[in-house]
Amino acid sequence: DADVTQTPRNRITKTGKRIMLECSQTKGHDRMYWYRQDPGLGLRLIYYSFDVKDINKGEISDGYSVSRQAQAKFSLSLESAIPNQTALYFCATSDSGRYITDTQYFGPGTRLTVL
Amino acid sequence: AQSVSQHNHHVILSEAASLELGCNYSYGGTVNLFWYVQYPGQHLQLLLKYFSGDPLVKGIKGFEAEFIKSKFSFNLRKPSVQWSDTAEYFCAVRDINTGTASKLTFGTGTRLQVTL
Repeated sequence: DADVTQTPRNRITKTGKRIMLECSQTKGHDRMYWYRQDPGLGLRLIYYSFDVKDINKGEISDGYSVSRQAQAKFSLSLESAIPNQTALYFCATSDSGRYITDTQYFGPGTRLTVL
Repeated sequence: AQSVSQHNHHVILSEAASLELGCNYSYGGTVNLFWYVQYPGQHLQLLLKYFSGDPLVKGIKGFEAEFIKSKFSFNLRKPSVQWSDTAEYFCAVRDINTGTASKLTFGTGTRLQVTL
């Protein structure tokens, strides 16, 4: 969905390096999410944010941190990357105004390889 | 905690064959249900969703899904698949009775390969 963008799209880094993945959206949604996708495991939630001042851990937050710089921007950081963080990372957004019926929309993904 | 099972990990069909992909969730109560599709090299796109009302939901590209509450299931169907349906399909569930949570729980995905 062109309304949700992620940078970079691909990144190769080395063990121990700090990496930041960025997500921006023009959908005007207040809720944003970071997932990682691994083959055979589907998507797992890393962190989510319901507004700029609200950050919550997901099911696999260890080794990751996030920053919600503005309503439209949500960054994911790997403070010290390790090889098992090699995965496809997706950002998603949704609109709390549609609480009962909100739907998440996904960005194009960032493929991260940690050597 | 909610869990989602997609028992078919890899499905191979010939064009024009009928498709049914299974999805079962573990936790009862009020849920929202989704099917997302991921075409090769692309991001997840919403295929269809169920919130309430008619349990038979129609989505894009001729897909439909039926919510059967008694079976905790939300199976995806298409009467006649096309080569362009080759993709990975993810079922996702959201519990709407867990406070303000808007989290989705995803299944592990089913890879569909359609042969000519």
